[in-house]
Amino acid sequence: EVQLVESGGGLVQPGGSLRLSCAASGFTFSSYWMSWVRQAPGKGLEWVANIKQDGSEKYYVDSVKGRFTISRDNAKNSLYLQMNSLRAEDTAVYYCARVEWLQLMYFDYWGQGTLVTVSS
Amino acid sequence: EIVLTQSPATLSLSPGERATLSCRASQSVSSYLAWYQQKPGQAPRLLIYDASNRATGIPARFSGSGSGTDFTLTISSLEPEDFAVYYCQQRSNWQYTFGQGTKLEIK
Repeated sequence: EVQLVESGGGLVQPGGSLRLSCAASGFTFSSYWMSWVRQAPGKGLEWVANIKQDGSEKYYVDSVKGRFTISRDNAKNSLYLQMNSLRAEDTAVYYCARVEWLQLMYFDYWGQGTLVTVSS
Repeated sequence: EIVLTQSPATLSLSPGERATLSCRASQSVSSYLAWYQQKPGQAPRLLIYDASNRATGIPARFSGSGSGTDFTLTISSLEPEDFAVYYCQQRSNWQYTFGQGTKLEIK
């Protein structure tokens, strides 16, 4: 059974940093692109970042470029999101999601999410 | 960036009725469109991919259609567990975007 479990969320002040983790199990982690998707309270879904199987390609939504870094450790079956210079508008539930392997178009499995609150 | 616009924002129906949800893209996405279901406090779940293919374990009452810029998600006969928020999604130039969602509520 595919499982994705996020951790690392919490309350942080504006301008602060936070590192999210996602522990994957039930599939060959190193064979899949992975993503982070976020959802502000009461709002819709927003894709944040993607990373290739070996970490050699990464893509970001414009609003986080230069502030967030996606990374992975295939030996630990783990995905990460380093978030710096956090802003109030980054407040959201952050989901770890697996990208379907064939066309890389969709997210076929999701974790339950971890809440990040940016507030003074 | 391709913008996805969903309509209606809210749809009020009764169990057993047919639901029709729409998603319009600002430019053609061919057939590369997905639909997700999200219930309160839960993660989204992939329902439909490539516009019309049901994901693993999705009941046959869910169907998708369309290509280019206009897409439809149809639920043939609503079950109580189908009342949720539905999102469409596409990828273009390594940027993924979602529609703003349609809330399907019990009438």
